[in-house]
Amino acid sequence: EPEVTQTPSHQVTQMGQEVILRCVPISNHLYFYWYRQILGQKVEFLVSFYNNEISEKSEIFDDQFSVERPDGSNFTLKIRSTKLEDSAMYFCASSEPRITDTQYFGPGTRLTVL
Amino acid sequence: GQNIDQPTEMTATEGAIVQINCTYQTSGFNGLFWYQQHAGEAPTFLSYNVLDGLEEKGRFSSFLSRSKGYSYLLLKELQMKDSASYLCAYQAAGNKLTFGGGTRVLVKP
Repeated sequence: EPEVTQTPSHQVTQMGQEVILRCVPISNHLYFYWYRQILGQKVEFLVSFYNNEISEKSEIFDDQFSVERPDGSNFTLKIRSTKLEDSAMYFCASSEPRITDTQYFGPGTRLTVL
Repeated sequence: GQNIDQPTEMTATEGAIVQINCTYQTSGFNGLFWYQQHAGEAPTFLSYNVLDGLEEKGRFSSFLSRSKGYSYLLLKELQMKDSASYLCAYQAAGNKLTFGGGTRVLVKP
């Protein structure tokens, strides 16, 4: 069964450093998403991406964040200058292009900012 | 503010039935989703409702009343492996999912 994959599974970085989290969505999906979950808290939407552009973003997704689809398979989230409060699990998800299509989540990248 | 609400924790016995309620307030409603999340893992899709009524998928069923802003997830014939958090999420305008805080279900022998 096709699945969303993410690398790395765990990333440790120093405050102020740039990190890039990588995702490979399910191959026939056209909508891509990033969510995050701070330990013990709820899953929060960051950004959605369709047709090579951001379709929606949350207040969390400020100028420090960016997303890119550099080729036909990868989808990346970049945090330019990490802060302590960016420590969280980051989940990539993808869905087919219909409005109520199910979003399938990847296994997540645990980001720890020291 | 909090516009999607579900209980924090529930305990049930193996083989029993548990019902997890979820209430929400939103405009432009497109659907209501339920996900299961084991500790340290990703949410995995269980069920979704677009129209009012009951959707059944094996041991799991989900119900929706759009007029009441209410959904529930019913877990039947509980097994130990069902111990997890269950996340209610609505999809409003656009595609993003807005999640509740999750209900942690503990299944006891």
